[in-house]
Amino acid sequence: AQSVTQLGSHVSVSEGALVLLRCNYSSSVPPYLFWYVQYPNQGLQLLLKYTTGATLVKGINGFEAEFKKSETSFHLTKPSAHMSDAAEYFCAVSDPGTASKLTFGTGTRLQVTL
Amino acid sequence: GAVVSQHPSRVICKSGTSVKIECRSLDFQATTMFWYRQFPKQSLMLMATSNEGSKATYEQGVEKDKFLINHASLTLSTLTVTSAHPEDSSFYICSARVYGQGLSYEQYFGPGTRLTVT
Repeated sequence: AQSVTQLGSHVSVSEGALVLLRCNYSSSVPPYLFWYVQYPNQGLQLLLKYTTGATLVKGINGFEAEFKKSETSFHLTKPSAHMSDAAEYFCAVSDPGTASKLTFGTGTRLQVTL
Repeated sequence: GAVVSQHPSRVICKSGTSVKIECRSLDFQATTMFWYRQFPKQSLMLMATSNEGSKATYEQGVEKDKFLINHASLTLSTLTVTSAHPEDSSFYICSARVYGQGLSYEQYFGPGTRLTVT
């Protein structure tokens, strides 16, 4: 069985500061990894994904994440936070062999302050 | 591309009634659609996987007779909450996987439907 742990249900950063949202996973096989963003009362938007290949993945809106197999992590970063980044962020994992069934973490709410 | 819509976006119904939520892929064909529910300030929980032309596969603990799923075409899946009760109040989100990509790993999510049962 797969699981995802997101450390920190709430993260607050100043505008312009580094954003770091943590995600660790547990999986018996090399997983596919995803980060999604959710704005209030909306569905999820894919930020980035890792399947195979380069372990540093770049996504939309300046976000990137690095797959570290030895640490079973897939932390999300952005060098400089913007007010519009305030949202809920979900890390998710899927087993490539189960037709993309996703398991989500509990989410991290990002607050950006002036 | 890859837009998924849901209708309605918000619905209020009385306890004991049924409500149907539609999920459509607007610009692609989706052999597989997924239904999730999300409680306030919580993560998404997969309810069921819906395959076009076949019965849905429900996750453990989800009542298949209460949450009826129909995937009649490659662009439409519906979720009907039967005999709704206040505890069914939640945010329901669907997603769709693109047709023709085999074990494609990417899902496209709808904007969600807020169900309130009074």
